[in-house]
Amino acid sequence: EAQVTQNPRYLITVTGKKLTVTCSQNMNHEYMSWYRQDPGLGLRQIYYSMNVEVTDKGDVPEGYKVSRKEKRNFPLILESPSPNQTSLYFCASSLAGGNNEQFFGPGTRLTVL
Amino acid sequence: GENVGLHLPTLSVQEGDNSIINCAYSNSASDYFIWYKQESGKGPQFIIDIRSNMDKRQGQRVTVLLNKTVKHLSLQIAATQPGDSAVYFCAENKGTYKYIFGTGTRLKVLA
Repeated sequence: EAQVTQNPRYLITVTGKKLTVTCSQNMNHEYMSWYRQDPGLGLRQIYYSMNVEVTDKGDVPEGYKVSRKEKRNFPLILESPSPNQTSLYFCASSLAGGNNEQFFGPGTRLTVL
Repeated sequence: GENVGLHLPTLSVQEGDNSIINCAYSNSASDYFIWYKQESGKGPQFIIDIRSNMDKRQGQRVTVLLNKTVKHLSLQIAATQPGDSAVYFCAENKGTYKYIFGTGTRLKVLA
């Protein structure tokens, strides 16, 4: 089944404790992206990747890092999480950037205390 | 389920009626638009898209209309069903790798 998977689905952590949210897609997509979703704000793009080893900032990149060492994986790294990073995170992928349908993962609910 | 929007505008429609959900987009240079459906506890799901060289596109029970003059997008759902209850939001892209998403509208289907 073609899908985007994220792990963990739920995470409660404390300020300053480094964490990684994994994202994997099995569709051989070139483009992958991370979003956060907060009430009243809609989805906001954190980082995206056009292909292996090619990443760029979205609209809200502060406090996040990403890497794209393999085509299928695009982990989101929070080196020192803070409470304002409490949010619902989605990973997405598409064949290529621009005018292409994005497939979203199921989401990761992160709470930073 | 996940509470993705505490203050979303809500559209309530009777089962079997048609629904119209509207979206104002921000960038006149955007040339690709998408409608997504998000059910509670799930990720957004693609419904239909439209490119800026079109005014209308139809799918199965859904139609998207694009008015570039006033930067307005609408999603029409025919014969709305209980399974259509969800949050709907639009997204725009200007041929780049960045997407801008709307905040969404909650659709409630009344039995």
